[in-house]
Amino acid sequence: GAVVSQHPSWVICKSGTSVKIECRSLDFQATTMFWYRQFPKQSLMLMATSNEGSKATYEQGVEKDKFLINHASLTLSTLTVTSAHPEDSSFYICSADPSGQGPYYGYTFGSGTRLTVV
Amino acid sequence: AQKVTQAQTEISVVEKEDVTLDCVYETRDTTYYLFWYKQPPSGELVFLIRRNSFDEQNEISGRYSWNFQKSTSSFNFTITASQVVDSAVYFCALTQGGSEKLVFGKGTKLTVNP
Repeated sequence: GAVVSQHPSWVICKSGTSVKIECRSLDFQATTMFWYRQFPKQSLMLMATSNEGSKATYEQGVEKDKFLINHASLTLSTLTVTSAHPEDSSFYICSADPSGQGPYYGYTFGSGTRLTVV
Repeated sequence: AQKVTQAQTEISVVEKEDVTLDCVYETRDTTYYLFWYKQPPSGELVFLIRRNSFDEQNEISGRYSWNFQKSTSSFNFTITASQVVDSAVYFCALTQGGSEKLVFGKGTKLTVNP
């Protein structure tokens, strides 16, 4: 089945530093990937849609300069949290569309990254 | 705007009990998709089921069953004879505005005790 690998699983960084999170589709090509943020006991909030070879589309209220998304290949999208602050601490999770046909067949999610900024 | 409401924040049952997780949605679209995902403690979301707006047939998959009723804008999920391994957070989701995006409910944390 379609597998999305997300790394790292968890990361602790100092305030002011940048952190990169990788999302890889292991057995399929993903033109589109999605990045979500999940606060404790909260729902998943879509941050941005990552499109291979073009700029990401950010949701309203998400800072483009803070959350840099790069989708340079059909199997890899990265999210870089720049100049991280404690309020950026959260669970970040990516998803991809294995079928390339939108949500009809269901999206595959990565296992998430727990970011803690100290 | 699309909205998904999962009124039950947490549910706790004893193993072998049946449990129903509620999902109510709002949308102005005539064509839409509804989903249920399971998020175990490990964090990844596991796809359980997809339903499109034109298919109101209920579905059963092993111990899982889903009841889709457009008249009440509900897409409820029932686990029969629950097991400890069913313990997880369950999310109901809806496609947003005919796009690829998903709108998630806040999730229901199910705890199945032995």
